[in-house]
Amino acid sequence: AQKVTQAQTEISVVEKEDVTLDCVYETRDTTYYLFWYKQPPSGELVFLIRRNSFDEQNEISGRYSWNFQKSTSSFNFTITASQVVDSAVYFCALRNTGTASKLTFGTGTRLQVTL
Amino acid sequence: GAVVSQHPSRVICKSGTSVKIECRSLDFQATTMFWYRQFPKQSLMLMATSNEGSKATYEQGVEKDKFLINHASLTLSTLTVTSAHPEDSSFYICSAPRTAANYGYTFGSGTRLTVV
Repeated sequence: AQKVTQAQTEISVVEKEDVTLDCVYETRDTTYYLFWYKQPPSGELVFLIRRNSFDEQNEISGRYSWNFQKSTSSFNFTITASQVVDSAVYFCALRNTGTASKLTFGTGTRLQVTL
Repeated sequence: GAVVSQHPSRVICKSGTSVKIECRSLDFQATTMFWYRQFPKQSLMLMATSNEGSKATYEQGVEKDKFLINHASLTLSTLTVTSAHPEDSSFYICSAPRTAANYGYTFGSGTRLTVV
């Protein structure tokens, strides 16, 4: 069975602070994919990143960066110099490589960035 | 890019009535569609998986007679909430898995259902 844990339910930071959202996953598969999605108040899911299990290289995209540590089954997400527009719920998710495999979502972390 | 169009975005209905939610893949063929439900401040929970031309597969605890799923074509999957009750009020979102080379998903924009 697959499981994704986001231990942080809510995080509140002041604008320009850095913030890291934690994600720990469980799977028996050796090949799998990890995702991060942003869900603003509108509800629509915004894709942020996909990482496969063979690629442990960390990635940076503007103010966003991701740290994939296979040894600890973690895929953490850091926002540098946070902005109010970053306020949203962030979900980490996991899937295996079956042709039509479902996503298993974490419980989400609500990020509130204030001025 | 690939788009899944979901309608309606919001719907308010009376208890006891039925509501149909549609998800259309606009520029690709979706042989599979996942249907999720999200209660306020909670995660997305998979309700069922629809496959074109066959019966949907429901997750444990989801009433198949209450949540009717139809996937009649490669571009359309529908979820009908029958005899809706206030506890069915939720955010429903569909998702189509992409090709094996991509392993990504295309999500609909969601439907906020309120049953009064």
